[in-house]
Amino acid sequence: NAGVTQTPKFQVLKTGQSMTLQCAQDMNHNSMYWYRQDPGMGLRLIYYSASEGTTDKGEVPNGYNVSRLNKREFSLRLESAAPSQTSVYFCASALLADSYNEQFFGPGTRLTVL
Amino acid sequence: GESVGLHLPTLSVQEGDNSIINCAYSNSASDYFIWYKQESGKGPQFIIDIRSNMDKRQGQRVTVLLNKTVKHLSLQIAATQPGDSAVYFCAPSASKIIFGSGTRLSIRP
Repeated sequence: NAGVTQTPKFQVLKTGQSMTLQCAQDMNHNSMYWYRQDPGMGLRLIYYSASEGTTDKGEVPNGYNVSRLNKREFSLRLESAAPSQTSVYFCASALLADSYNEQFFGPGTRLTVL
Repeated sequence: GESVGLHLPTLSVQEGDNSIINCAYSNSASDYFIWYKQESGKGPQFIIDIRSNMDKRQGQRVTVLLNKTVKHLSLQIAATQPGDSAVYFCAPSASKIIFGSGTRLSIRP
């Protein structure tokens, strides 16, 4: 099993450009998450999807949109990138059964907005 | 969602010594608490969990202590090794997890 995969691994954008970060998991997990991590900081939740067909805002949703395409895939879209969105983006998934939420993280996407 | 905070942003220990990383939480409704380790350039990985009805759980070189009275967790790493250098996060098990900033553990040779 590949676990959680993210594409691309690196991306450089100019201010105002748009892009979609892709995430897929092959563990048949119910819930999926998008986090950002700025240098020296912890993880901040952007959006999450507790189950297929549902999405909810996290701590820092402004400037982002998400799509839970199916049970496997959860994408994050930046419609008009800003330098403040320069960060490392992590996708995670969890089975989320009986309130147990062990999250499995992808390798991250390093995004720079110029 | 739950919120967590960590007492110290950085911790430096001598190789071979024991490390203790602390974590406070605000809401005691979670059934589990989970510790994650994040090595440089990688995503966080599960280390160990503890159920809320336990006060101690041991793994290989790691021990988790849970004090529900003061809403406090600690992760103890025995005989700290260079490979333990990482950022450590604790997180309550909930559908929406708010991670704290983590504790960066560095090892002195």
